[in-house]
Amino acid sequence: DAGITQSPRYKITETGRQVTLMCHQTWSHSYMFWYRQDLGHGLRLIYYSAAADITDKGEVPDGYVVSRSKTENFPLTLESATRSQTSVYFCASSVSGNNEQFFGPGTRLTVL
Amino acid sequence: DQQVKQNSPSLSVQEGRISILNCDYTNSMFDYFLWYKKYPAEGPTFLISISSIKDKNEDGRFTVFLNKSAKHLSLHIVPSQPGDSAVYFCAALEMETYKYIFGTGTRLKVLA
Repeated sequence: DAGITQSPRYKITETGRQVTLMCHQTWSHSYMFWYRQDLGHGLRLIYYSAAADITDKGEVPDGYVVSRSKTENFPLTLESATRSQTSVYFCASSVSGNNEQFFGPGTRLTVL
Repeated sequence: DQQVKQNSPSLSVQEGRISILNCDYTNSMFDYFLWYKKYPAEGPTFLISISSIKDKNEDGRFTVFLNKSAKHLSLHIVPSQPGDSAVYFCAALEMETYKYIFGTGTRLKVLA
């Protein structure tokens, strides 16, 4: 199906484990983004990418790693999960940096 | 410090009446503003945008007003419908980095 998808939709893990959240878009959008949504904070940008092999930090990048070897994929890795990383994670894409973003359905991550 | 603020966490409105959602920002360099709507267990979806060179943009039942001197924007929904019940996020574009800064959201409930 066309669009932007995220997997898994739900994930429970333990402190210290490595977790990778996947994001895939079929529009060939140049820009891709990772946000986390927490109560009282709205959506906060973790990392973004302007094109394949180009990534940059957002507002809250600590504890996260991203890569973008292909235009359509933008995985987010938590190298050693902590309880403070319990959140809902949204991936988004856009044609350019100043266009509206299209969001995936989100991944709810719980770190025990 | 929150650069984009939505000071009303929730709002209830009768069906058919006007809903007014407010958003304040602190950075005068913000150049482009968007509103997103979010239903539970889904990603945000783009609703309407406004450039800083305009003071009003209309799309059907949705109108966004921008007051640059007050650093304030508002979203008007007329007439409100029960299907409009959702969380609404405003976002401002930081032009030099192409990063969007989101507000914390306002939960709108339209009562039938």
